[in-house]
Amino acid sequence: DIQMTQSPSTLSASVGDRVTITCRASQSISRWLAWYQQKPGKAPKILIYEASYLEYGVPSRFSGSGSGTEFTLTISSLQPDDFATYYCQQYNSYSWTFGQGTKVEIK
Amino acid sequence: EVQLLESGGDLVQPGGSLRLSCAASGFTFSINAMTWVRQAPGKGLEWVSDISDGTGSSTHYADSVRGRFTISRDNSKNTVYLEMTSLRAEDTAVYYCAREGSAIDRWGQGTLVTVSS
Repeated sequence: DIQMTQSPSTLSASVGDRVTITCRASQSISRWLAWYQQKPGKAPKILIYEASYLEYGVPSRFSGSGSGTEFTLTISSLQPDDFATYYCQQYNSYSWTFGQGTKVEIK
Repeated sequence: EVQLLESGGDLVQPGGSLRLSCAASGFTFSINAMTWVRQAPGKGLEWVSDISDGTGSSTHYADSVRGRFTISRDNSKNTVYLEMTSLRAEDTAVYYCAREGSAIDRWGQGTLVTVSS
C-alpha cells in the first residue's frame, strides 16, 4: 500500500497566519490527492481534489499544490473556523490511504 | 441536497457480525461509486471498502477487512451496505458512508460500531 506522511502532526498558529501542511507519498500518485478538514465529532469535509482543485463552496484562502510524491495544503490567512484536523488522501491506487492528520491549534 | 444516513451501528461481541446500511438521497445514487471509511476513537481516518457505480460489479477492500467484510448496493433502495463478520476489537470505530465523485466528496455523519465482550 502507498504510505502517506503528513507534517507537522500538530501546528500552533494565530488568526491571520499563513499555514502550510505537507503530505508525502511513498511512491508517485500523480495528482490523485485530496485534502479534508475534520472538526471534533463531525464528518470530514472535502477541501481540495486532484491536488489543486478547490471544491465548490470552499473559501479561496485554501489552496493545494504538488504532484508525484510531494503535496502541500496552504491556508493563506487562518480564520477562527479553520482550527481543525486536516487529512490528505491518495486515490491513485487501492488500497486508498490517508495521512495521519495535522491538527491546527490556536496559538 | 445530498444526504447520507448510516444505521446499524451497535455493541457486538468479538467474533460477531453486523450489517451497516447507508441510505442516500439528493442525487442519482446509481451513477456514483460509494465508499466506507472508518475512524477508531481518537485516531485518524482509515479507508475500508468501495463499490463501483451501476451494478456494483467492482469492489475493493482494505487488507485489514478483506475476507471479513462485504460491500453491496441496492440501487432500487438507494442504499449501500457493509456486512461485517468475524469482528475484532480493532474494528471498533465510527463508520462513515461516503460518495465518490471528485475524490470522496460527500460524507454521512457516521455510525458507531463497538466490538467488546
